Amino acid sequence: RKEVEQDPGPFNVPEGATVAFNCTYSNSASQSFFWYRQDCRKEPKLLMSVYSSGNEDGRFTAQLNRASQYISLLIRDSKLSDSATYLCSTGKLIFGQGTTLQVKP
Amino acid sequence: NAGVTQTPKFRVLKTGQSMTLLCAQDMNHEYMYWYRQDPGMGLRLIHYSVGEGTTAKGEVPDGYNVSRLKKQNFLLGLESAAPSQTSVYFCASSYSDYYEQYFGPGTRLTVT
Repeated sequence: RKEVEQDPGPFNVPEGATVAFNCTYSNSASQSFFWYRQDCRKEPKLLMSVYSSGNEDGRFTAQLNRASQYISLLIRDSKLSDSATYLCSTGKLIFGQGTTLQVKP
Repeated sequence: NAGVTQTPKFRVLKTGQSMTLLCAQDMNHEYMYWYRQDPGMGLRLIHYSVGEGTTAKGEVPDGYNVSRLKKQNFLLGLESAAPSQTSVYFCASSYSDYYEQYFGPGTRLTVT
């Protein structure tokens, strides 16, 4: 079993839609959680750190569920510019394979 | 603040040739990493370093060597390139393995 698993998608959604991704992790001792965004042919960039209490940054909300061992990313009011691959990480050099989002006009 | 830079951005090698990829960071980070990313696959860790003078193997270290002689630089070497090493190589750095990583722009390597 992989340490971090993501549905690769692609998730195809219309502009304005709300979309959510989950990322499950196997190591219950994980302490740090992150979401990165990677545009086509570019490097990954930090989107959000994920805190135990959950956190929000504009249209983006990240949640941590320790009991079920997953983190989630919710994107509200999707924009065309949100089209990218979203990678989750549990720190300690562990990344998921990424979930691809395509927002259509 | 340049962040993380990588040299070169593109390179084409013939099978059996050697080359060195250079990564530099100006954030005084202790940890540095080399990943490769192939189409449809996630990031795979090649080697990493937890401080000047240290290196450690990652998930896919075969065919690569690394050195960290200075804190700000992390070099990745291919001694005898193979077509299977055609990939995009990303360098990254962080304060520790609990903190977020900062990535360089990548090096696109083709081995023919």
